[in-house]
Amino acid sequence: QKEVEQNSGPLSVPEGAIASLNCTYSDRGSQSFFWYRQYSGKSPELIMSIYSNGDKEDGRFTAQLNKASQYVSLLIRDSQPSDSATYLCAASQTGANNLFFGTGTRLTVIP
Amino acid sequence: DTAVSQTPKYLVTQMGNDKSIKCEQNLGHDTMYWYKQDSKKFLKIMFSYNNKELIINETVPNRFSPKSPDKAHLNLHINSLELGDSAVYFCASSQPNTGELFFGEGSRLTVL
Repeated sequence: QKEVEQNSGPLSVPEGAIASLNCTYSDRGSQSFFWYRQYSGKSPELIMSIYSNGDKEDGRFTAQLNKASQYVSLLIRDSQPSDSATYLCAASQTGANNLFFGTGTRLTVIP
Repeated sequence: DTAVSQTPKYLVTQMGNDKSIKCEQNLGHDTMYWYKQDSKKFLKIMFSYNNKELIINETVPNRFSPKSPDKAHLNLHINSLELGDSAVYFCASSQPNTGELFFGEGSRLTVL
């Protein structure tokens, strides 16, 4: 099993703050990384993908990748109550058809 | 129009019974998956099919038998259900070799 580890939380932040979600992975062959959001009772949905070292920004979301440290993070700026969900980090090898997920971090944004 | 649809959404059954879950996608994707999510929210791949061919079988008991009649459909049949099979089963699809999965709504299986 290719391990992807996340702090399960829960992580609570006040509305308007920055939420920081972290993820580490054990397989150095992993090349592609993803953040999925899962609302309670719903299915996961992709919110960010990142393939190269550095930062990738999309609206209020920024994904960060450091392959040397085997570390991926997701920053959510100006957090909103609607961001309250479980965030799943996932990794795959290039050309692979399987995605390995972490156990997820539950985020609560307090109004 | 639902992109990835699964039926049924809920199954409650006794140990030892057999059950099936059906999945269909209308996204034109070549690759389909079954994932199992346990009570701790851990999402683990079970099977992956690419254009009807099995490409991944992740150490799943042979009581679980997937079947893909065409690339838009992937069904899961489970024999001799056990308590530990209780979970939410998600079907997903993607283009090959990407991690950009589109998930169905999930099928919650409860084995009593």
